[in-house]
Amino acid sequence: EPEVTQTPSHQVTQMGQEVILRCVPISNHLYFYWYRQILGQKVEFLVSFYNNEISEKSEIFDDQFSVERPDGSNFTLKIRSTKLEDSAMYFCASNPRQAVNEKLFFGSGTQLSVL
Amino acid sequence: GESVGLHLPTLSVQEGDNSIINCAYSNSASDYFIWYKQESGKGPQFIIDIRSNMDKRQGQRVTVLLNKTVKHLSLQIAATQPGDSAVYFCAENKGGTASKLTFGTGTRLQVTL
Repeated sequence: EPEVTQTPSHQVTQMGQEVILRCVPISNHLYFYWYRQILGQKVEFLVSFYNNEISEKSEIFDDQFSVERPDGSNFTLKIRSTKLEDSAMYFCASNPRQAVNEKLFFGSGTQLSVL
Repeated sequence: GESVGLHLPTLSVQEGDNSIINCAYSNSASDYFIWYKQESGKGPQFIIDIRSNMDKRQGQRVTVLLNKTVKHLSLQIAATQPGDSAVYFCAENKGGTASKLTFGTGTRLQVTL
């Protein structure tokens, strides 16, 4: 079965540094997402992306966050100046259509640790 | 990547028994519900979904029940196996953008031999 792949699996950074988390969605999918999960908490929606623009974002996704599809295969999440509270597992997801019953396919996540 | 969840509810079942995991959702306008399974170090894995115009849906060894009156969702796993051990999340779509999901807290299922 095709998979969403994410790199790196673990990222350690110093507070204030920029990080870029990378994702390769499933090849024929058109809608891309970032979710995050702080340790011990719920999985939270961050942003959805379609046709090279953000279609929806949560209140978590402030000016420090940005997303980009730099080429035909990668989808990235950038955090410009990381804070301690950005430490979390970040999941990329994709689906081929944004229909009500279209399931999301999640990657295995990138564990971000901000020191 | 495991969700340690100091306050994560835990359900322990013996191998071969049936498991029932419950979830209360918040928004009566939600029209689509999904159960995900998350194993240690992995992302959420789709198990089964249900639309709000249904009250039951069956898959392979799994059944989802939806009670809209009390805003309750349950996942039944028949003949639970050790490989079913994981954290299970329900998620709801509150309408509008289809894939902006709101996840529940999660329940840890432990299968004992």
